[in-house]
Amino acid sequence: QKEVEQNSGPLSVPEGAIASLNCTYSDRGSQSFFWYRQYSGKSPELIMFIYSNGDKEDGRFTAQLNKASQYVSLLIRDSQPSDSATYLCAASYNNNDMRFGAGTRLTVKP
Amino acid sequence: DAGVTQSPTHLIKTRGQHVTLRCSPISGHKSVSWYQQVLGQGPQFIFQYYEKEERGRGNFPDRFSARQFPNYSSELNVNALLLGDSALYLCASSLDWAFTNEQFFGPGTRLTVL
Repeated sequence: QKEVEQNSGPLSVPEGAIASLNCTYSDRGSQSFFWYRQYSGKSPELIMFIYSNGDKEDGRFTAQLNKASQYVSLLIRDSQPSDSATYLCAASYNNNDMRFGAGTRLTVKP
Repeated sequence: DAGVTQSPTHLIKTRGQHVTLRCSPISGHKSVSWYQQVLGQGPQFIFQYYEKEERGRGNFPDRFSARQFPNYSSELNVNALLLGDSALYLCASSLDWAFTNEQFFGPGTRLTVL
C-alpha cells in the first residue's frame, strides 16, 4: 500500500518563527515528493518539489528529503499570517500515480 | 493567460444518477489529471491523461471513467452515483506526463450526491 502520512495538526506558530511540517511515505519506489499549500476553499498550489536526498531551498521554504528514513519535511522560515493554510505532502510513483497525505493545518499567529 | 477551468462549479445529483465533469487545461498543456478530495482529506488521484491516452489510474471503481479530447480538454464521468462520491473534484493540467512538471489545479467542481 502506498501511503503518505502527515500529522493533521493543527500546528500553531508565532509570526516570525520557523514552522516545521513533516511527512512519511511507505513505498520505497516513490520517486518525487511535493509540497502543496491549500487555503480554505481554494485549490492546492505547488510550493516546491524534491527528488534527491538532502535539502532544497526556495526563498523562505526549505524541503528536506531522507530516502533511507522515508521522510520528507518542509521548513517555513519567518512565518507570516498569510502562510496559514493546509500543507499537503505528495509522492509520485513511476510518473503515473500521485499520492497525497491528508494535510497539516498551519496557523501563524500575529 | 487563463488558468485551468472546470465546469460546473457545483452539482447536486441523486444516488444512481450519472454525472459528467469538464476541464479545460492551460493553453499549451497536454496533460490533465483528475483528483477527488473529500472534506478534511488530501486529493486522491483518479486518472491522468496525456495526448488523449490514459497514462495513470488510481484505485477507483470502474464507475469512474474519463477521456481527453484533441484540444486537450477532458471529461470525467461517474456512473451509478453513491453518497460517498460527494466530494470536490479537481482537475490539474501540466505541460506533459511527468509529475515533476508543475501541476496547476483548477477551482474544482463540488459534487453533492443525495
